[in-house]
Amino acid sequence: TQLLEQSPQFLSIQEGENLTVYCNSSSVFSSLQWYRQEPGEGPVLLVTVVTGGEVKKLKRLTFQFGDARKDSSLHITAAQPGDTGLYLCAGAKGSNYKLTFGKGTLLTVNP
Amino acid sequence: DAGVIQSPRHEVTEMGQEVTLRCKPISGHDYLFWYRQTMMRGLELLIYFNNNVPIDDSGMPEDRFSAKMPNASFSTLKIQPSEPRDSAVYFCASSFSGRTQETQYFGPGTRLLVL
Repeated sequence: TQLLEQSPQFLSIQEGENLTVYCNSSSVFSSLQWYRQEPGEGPVLLVTVVTGGEVKKLKRLTFQFGDARKDSSLHITAAQPGDTGLYLCAGAKGSNYKLTFGKGTLLTVNP
Repeated sequence: DAGVIQSPRHEVTEMGQEVTLRCKPISGHDYLFWYRQTMMRGLELLIYFNNNVPIDDSGMPEDRFSAKMPNASFSTLKIQPSEPRDSAVYFCASSFSGRTQETQYFGPGTRLLVL
């Protein structure tokens, strides 16, 4: 049973389009992180959200943590080819040391 | 500063052989994590250490897998004997506990293929 469900699994869009990817769970997390992974590399942390309802912005990326701390979304405005990659969400319960990862959304932004 | 270093980057071996993966964490980091990534199961935590001591190994698949951290700058993940289903990308990550929200820094991974 996957604790964190990410959707969609695959997403292919044109440069300039907006998109939202989702990370859902039936469990409550103390914090949730989003990572981006490029081919042949390890995941790189984008953001950590810890408060229910929290919204964080990182340039064209907007991250939201659900009020109940069970779900999160990532919205990208005006996607660019450089945004291409595997987006992973990871939840922590208690300490941030032990993370549970979703399977990811593979995003392709076509020029 | 150098990031997390893993070796080898690629490993091809035959079923039944012993495989040893190596990791050098970022200097000063006190947590070290071993993950496995496959298409079917995604990224799974295998084991993690704090100050060289294993804290949680509940993700280690079976007795064929073992991990050690003899000092703060080196860790190994060993598979003996290896099986085709062990084929995956294995990541090492490290973090520093001195901040409230710890960031895990991942290495580039070792791509393992067991024939």
